[in-house]
Amino acid sequence: EAQVTQNPRYLITVTGKKLTVTCSQNMNHEYMSWYRQDPGLGLRQIYYSMNVEVTDKGDVPEGYKVSRKEKRNFPLILESPSPNQTSLYFCASSWDGKYEQYFGPGTRLTVT
Amino acid sequence: QKEVEQDPGPLSVPEGAIVSLNCTYSNSAFQYFMWYRQYSRKGPELLMYTYSSGNKEDGRFTAQVDKSSKYISLFIRDSQPSDSATYLCAATGNQFYFGTGTSLTVIP
Repeated sequence: EAQVTQNPRYLITVTGKKLTVTCSQNMNHEYMSWYRQDPGLGLRQIYYSMNVEVTDKGDVPEGYKVSRKEKRNFPLILESPSPNQTSLYFCASSWDGKYEQYFGPGTRLTVT
Repeated sequence: QKEVEQDPGPLSVPEGAIVSLNCTYSNSAFQYFMWYRQYSRKGPELLMYTYSSGNKEDGRFTAQVDKSSKYISLFIRDSQPSDSATYLCAATGNQFYFGTGTSLTVIP
């Protein structure tokens, strides 16, 4: 089954404790991206990657890191999480990043 | 100014009504315009897309883009309770830009 998987689905952590949210796709897509979704602000792009070893900042990259060492994986790293990073995070993948993206199920992160 | 602005709603209509959802965008370089649908506790899914200007129809759904006024619309005919969801408009330049979403409830 074609899908994008994210882990964990739910995470509660404390300020400053480094964490990684994993994202994996099995569709051989070139393009992958991370979003955060907040009430009233909608879906905002954090980082995207057009291919292995190629990443670019989206609208809200501050406080986040990504890497793309393999085509199928695109982990999101929060080196020192803060409460304003409490949000619902989505990973997505696409053939070419033009219009159709497949989204993962989301990761609800709470930073206290 | 946000790249894509969307009427926030929420919108509540009776079953069978025609629904109109609207967005505006600011960057004339945008070429692809999309509508995603997001059910509660799920990730968004692509509903329809349009390349450049014009209309596109898929069953009860019609997507419309007017590049002269930078307006994106989605029309839903004969709305059904299963259409209840949040609808997100989006556009692409070198990255994806999403509107804030409109929550739609179709009442049986």
